[in-house]
Amino acid sequence: KNEVEQSPQNLTAQEGEFITINCSYSVGISALHWLQQHPGGGIVSLFMLSSGKKKHGRLIATINIQEKHSSLHITASHPRDSAVYICAVSYNNDMRFGAGTRLTVKP
Amino acid sequence: EPEVTQTPSHQVTQMGQEVILRCVPISNHLYFYWYRQILGQKVEFLVSFYNNEISEKSEIFDDQFSVERPDGSNFTLKIRSTKLEDSAMYFCASNLMASTDTQYFGPGTRLTVL
Repeated sequence: KNEVEQSPQNLTAQEGEFITINCSYSVGISALHWLQQHPGGGIVSLFMLSSGKKKHGRLIATINIQEKHSSLHITASHPRDSAVYICAVSYNNDMRFGAGTRLTVKP
Repeated sequence: EPEVTQTPSHQVTQMGQEVILRCVPISNHLYFYWYRQILGQKVEFLVSFYNNEISEKSEIFDDQFSVERPDGSNFTLKIRSTKLEDSAMYFCASNLMASTDTQYFGPGTRLTVL
């Protein structure tokens, strides 16, 4: 049973398009994380949120605790946004990960 | 900007050998983690560590695994007798306040077991 489900699995967009990646989870959580994994494998934390909405540059993350759902939006997408985006949830002192969404932005 | 570092970047070992993967967390962080990612699969939690003890561990983290903070700066993951299925990327992470704080990830160590 997957505790964290992401959709879509793969996403191809044209430069400039608005991107949405969705995440649903089935467990109680302390916080939800959006991570970016680059082609070389490195992982960068984009957002950590437990309620509402956060914005950083062209990235926006929202969470609905009642519905156990979060979205990551990228406005005005750019080829450098191409990466795997991972949703993860933390509770207690561990973290459970989704399978990731592979985003490719074409020029 | 402070960062988490890991060594080596790539380790090749023979099945049955012991390996130690090393991490230097960010200096004022209190919580430390190990994760693994088998090629093509999702990241999986292995263990969290706080105040010189394991605070959580997953079912993957069996008796073949151990963690240690030997000297106040390094955080190590030891695999006692490696198996082929231990081949993966191993990521270390750290943060200041456990589950409600952003985790900072190291660049990973790619372990290849032959």
